[in-house]
Amino acid sequence: NAGVTQTPKFQVLKTGQSMTLQCAQDMNHEYMSWYRQDPGMGLRLIHYSVGAGITDQGEVPNGYNVSRSTTEDFPLRLLSAAPSQTSVYFCASSYRGVHEQYFGPGTRLTVT
Amino acid sequence: AQSVTQLGSHVSVSEGALVLLRCNYSSSVPPYLFWYVQYPNQGLQLLLKYTTGATLVKGINGFEAEFKKSETSFHLTKPSAHMSDAAEYFCAVSESNFNKFYFGSGTKLNVKP
Repeated sequence: NAGVTQTPKFQVLKTGQSMTLQCAQDMNHEYMSWYRQDPGMGLRLIHYSVGAGITDQGEVPNGYNVSRSTTEDFPLRLLSAAPSQTSVYFCASSYRGVHEQYFGPGTRLTVT
Repeated sequence: AQSVTQLGSHVSVSEGALVLLRCNYSSSVPPYLFWYVQYPNQGLQLLLKYTTGATLVKGINGFEAEFKKSETSFHLTKPSAHMSDAAEYFCAVSESNFNKFYFGSGTKLNVKP
């Protein structure tokens, strides 16, 4: 049982480039979420999904896309990277109704 | 939307001293409340949670927190700090219908020898 996995661990992008951050979980959790963590701001919700085929926006969705084609995977796409997207990104998952989220180890992204 | 306020971005205590990390939330419905801990360069780990029932909840590593509805607070305490407690602590609130979490800005705990 690997829990929540994220790849890559580190990434450097140039402004305007696109990329996908990968997130997978093997716990058959219905809910999955993406957060960004910035100093002094805690974690902010980007997008979340309550099940395969269902996604919705969080607090800071601009510049990011998600899809949920399977229960296991929830990739986050940066369409055109900007320096303001330099952050640490965390994926999390949980069962419906339990409300406890399990977090991945994070992806540290730098946009130059 | 919910909001979470953590008073004090940095707290410093001596080893063996009481740890008190403050968290206040705004909610119009009964909330689910959580404390997470983050060690350097790692993800978040659940310390404890309040959903329903007893308002004093105990978590891992000797931490506990008390839900006080009248004060809209969920402060985290530990009677005696240990050097290994040095980390960043996040309070979070969840809406009742979906697993949308709202996090506080975090409190970095420093433990002095």
